[in-house]
Amino acid sequence: DAGVIQSPRHEVTEMGQEVTLRCKPISGHDYLFWYRQTMMRGLELLIYFNNNVPIDDSGMPEDRFSAKMPNASFSTLKIQPSEPRDSAVYFCASSLRGTLNEQFFGPGTRLTVL
Amino acid sequence: GENVEQHPSTLSVQEGDSAVIKCTYSDSASNYFPWYKQELGKRPQLIIDIRSNVGEKKDQRIAVTLNKTAKHFSLHITETQPEDSAVYFCAAIVGSGNTGKLIFGQGTTLQVKP
Repeated sequence: DAGVIQSPRHEVTEMGQEVTLRCKPISGHDYLFWYRQTMMRGLELLIYFNNNVPIDDSGMPEDRFSAKMPNASFSTLKIQPSEPRDSAVYFCASSLRGTLNEQFFGPGTRLTVL
Repeated sequence: GENVEQHPSTLSVQEGDSAVIKCTYSDSASNYFPWYKQELGKRPQLIIDIRSNVGEKKDQRIAVTLNKTAKHFSLHITETQPEDSAVYFCAAIVGSGNTGKLIFGQGTTLQVKP
């Protein structure tokens, strides 16, 4: 298995633009997580899905952020409009049978909003 | 809110020495405590985890201890090697059963000097 796949790996955009981050979880995994990592706030959970259904989105910072999982092999995290404070590394992770098991992280997307 | 405190934020040891990283958590119902290692520019990867029904777990040079009464857990690395240099994150599950979420500590940057 190729592991969790994220695209793009790097994204540079201007304030106000829409940004879409993509994730393909490990085949067969039923949980998918989106994290954001910054020096100031560390690694924080934004949202997670179980069987494509959002379970906890309490970490989504505000209405500018939205996430979808239309099927078991694909998820998107969208920021619209983007702001400089959204600059961070965004990780997608997946696990099998729940949050009490190992989460496998993707390589991350480094987002820079100018 | 629920949080996980991690100390120290940086740790420098000589090769061959031991390293200890400590974490405390606030949710007394937490029952799963993983440790992730993140090398520079890479993704976090699970190195060891412990569940609340055991007090200690070992895997070669790595061990984790858990004190549920005091709500703290620790990572012990013996015979450190330069390749152990990385950022280490502790985490604790917050919430019930298999629908909780991981709360991460702020990380400890470990430097092993050859």
